Amino acid sequence: DAGVTQSPTHLIKTRGQQVTLRCSPKSGHDTVSWYQQALGQGPQFIFQYYEEEERQRGNFPDRFSGHQFPNYSSELNVNALLLGDSALYLCASSAGLEDNEQFFGPGTRLTVL
Amino acid sequence: GQQLNQSPQSMFIQEGEDVSMNCTSSSIFNTWLWYKQDPGEGPVLLIALYKAGELTSNGRLTAQFGITRKDSFLNISASIPSDVGIYFCAGQLTTAGNKLTFGGGTRVLVKP
Repeated sequence: DAGVTQSPTHLIKTRGQQVTLRCSPKSGHDTVSWYQQALGQGPQFIFQYYEEEERQRGNFPDRFSGHQFPNYSSELNVNALLLGDSALYLCASSAGLEDNEQFFGPGTRLTVL
Repeated sequence: GQQLNQSPQSMFIQEGEDVSMNCTSSSIFNTWLWYKQDPGEGPVLLIALYKAGELTSNGRLTAQFGITRKDSFLNISASIPSDVGIYFCAGQLTTAGNKLTFGGGTRVLVKP
């Protein structure tokens, strides 16, 4: 049973660049949520996708956008990168919007120089 | 917005000891989850709690959903070295979707 997978594992970008992170949900899951985890802190909710639409959004600027594909996989895009965007980006999947239990992938470590 | 405070922020354990940590919120949740995160990995779900007052165990782990719905507790009995890591509580208010609000974590370390 495949768990949540994310790519790439690590990424280094410079300020002003754009980045795309990818996530495949756990087998049988159709809902994907993205979280940002700064060093030494708990994850912060960015947004959630279900049926290829953004369903909920946290307190993140429009530079953060996403997409969900028909096979339930998802992308997170960040434009005009800032130094403060350096973090571990986590993807979590669940079986629908009302499923309480979310399972996390290993994350993508983004470093902005 | 909602904030979760976890305490202690860090603790040292000796093999065989019982440890406790808790999580308090400024507002209510109707689901509490506890996760463990090891270095370089994503959080792993340990226990989910769905009802105020509920006490749930998973092996040596026991968690409780506080009666006020604003807190939760996690106990680890007879700790072993692999219990080292960061433990996060997360609250969910499922009437507002299933997004998770996380605490700052409790870092569990081994006594030198």
